[in-house]
Amino acid sequence: DQQVKQNSPSLSVQEGRISILNCDYTNSMFDYFLWYKKYPAEGPTFLISISSIKDKNEDGRFTVFLNKSAKHLSLHIVPSQPGDSAVYFCAASSHNTDKLIFGTGTRLQVFP
Amino acid sequence: DAGVIQSPRHEVTEMGQEVTLRCKPISGHNSLFWYRQTMMRGLELLIYFNNNVPIDDSGMPEDRFSAKMPNASFSTLKIQPSEPRDSAVYFCASSQKTAFGYTFGSGTRLTVV
Repeated sequence: DQQVKQNSPSLSVQEGRISILNCDYTNSMFDYFLWYKKYPAEGPTFLISISSIKDKNEDGRFTVFLNKSAKHLSLHIVPSQPGDSAVYFCAASSHNTDKLIFGTGTRLQVFP
Repeated sequence: DAGVIQSPRHEVTEMGQEVTLRCKPISGHNSLFWYRQTMMRGLELLIYFNNNVPIDDSGMPEDRFSAKMPNASFSTLKIQPSEPRDSAVYFCASSQKTAFGYTFGSGTRLTVV
């Protein structure tokens, strides 16, 4: 049973435009959410996170939005750059555990 | 800090052979996680340790898989016997606290033929 779902396996965006990556979760106990970025032949690296007490967190070109009622979060990248081309994983955890549950990932390609 | 170190980077083995993957976490991190990446399931948690003690191994697919953490600076994931469906990239990660995110190693790409 996939508790964290990324329904879009891939996304292609033109340089300079906005990239929106989506993630849905089913477990209402999740209270912390993270996005990781992965380049080929490397491990995932932490990008941005959000606590369930917030609905938005911004870090430079990256913003994460959380809609708790819909159990949905999204990552916005503005403006998109070719170097953003990677696989993006959504992850979730609850306060009473150390483990992160990851989604299946979305491959973002930013073209010139 | 050299980060999380995994070895080997690549492993090709024949079906039925024993495979051992190794991980050295970041010094001072008290949690260690083993994940497997596949196209179908994404990053799948296999097992995690806290202060060298296994906390949750519910993701270990079968008895063929085992993991140990004999001390704070070393962990192994063993598959015996290996099967072609075990082919995947295996990641090790460590953390002080989930809120700060994990640090992943570069992974071991396992191919069982």
